[in-house]
Amino acid sequence: QKEVEQDPGPLSVPEGAIVSLNCTYSNSAFQYFMWYRQYSRKGPELLMYTYSSGNKEDGRFTAQVDKSSKYISLFIRDSQPSDSATYLCAMTRNTGNQFYFGTGTSLTVIP
Amino acid sequence: DAGITQSPRHKVTETGTPVTLRCHQTENHRYMYWYRQDPGHGLRLIHYSYGVKDTDKGEVSDGYSVSRSKTEDFLLTLESATSSQTSVYFCAISESGGRAISYEQYFGPGTRLTVT
Repeated sequence: QKEVEQDPGPLSVPEGAIVSLNCTYSNSAFQYFMWYRQYSRKGPELLMYTYSSGNKEDGRFTAQVDKSSKYISLFIRDSQPSDSATYLCAMTRNTGNQFYFGTGTSLTVIP
Repeated sequence: DAGITQSPRHKVTETGTPVTLRCHQTENHRYMYWYRQDPGHGLRLIHYSYGVKDTDKGEVSDGYSVSRSKTEDFLLTLESATSSQTSVYFCAISESGGRAISYEQYFGPGTRLTVT
C-alpha cells in the first residue's frame, strides 16, 4: 500500500467552478501537509502547507486536513484557466526530512 | 524563484554508460534532495543530503549514488544507466532552522533523462 493515495483524474471543470482535490494517507505520524502545483514540463511549486489538523486559506485556495480520517483536501474557488496544472499533495513526519508525494491530479479549467 | 539550476536539462544516453546530473543552488539551504518523477508513481525520493558530505538514502536509491562536497552542489550519479532509469529527475532544496521542521521545498526545473 502506498503511503499517499491521490486520484490522478483527469479533472475538467468550467471556469468559475469550485474544484476539490483530495489525498488519503496511511501513516498517522504525518504532521505536515503540503500542496504543490506543477505546470507541464516544469518543477513543482509550493502552494500551501498546513500543520496537523485544520483549515488554511490563501486567496482562492483553501487547504483542509482531517487527521482522524487521514484525509486532506485542496479547494480552489472561482477557478481560472491559469489553474490548469497537475496538483500534488505531499506530507512529512515531525522527525525527518523525507517527504511523501501523491501521484498528482491533472486539472483543466475550460474558459 | 528559488535559485536552483539543474544540468543538463535533457540527456539521451545508452544502457550501461555512467551519467551524472548536477544540481546547483544559490540559496545556501542546508537540505538538498533528488527525486524522480514517473507516470503513476509521482515523485519518489532517491537520495537526500542534510549537509556537506552528509547524505542518506530515499525510497528508490538502488542504482544511484550521490555526492555533496560543497553546500551549493549536489550530484546524482547513475553508475551504469538502465532503461528503467529513464525518467524526469528533480532536485529540491529546503532549509530547517534549529528544531523547526522544514516544510517548504523548492524544486529545480528538472532533467529529462532517456536511456536507450
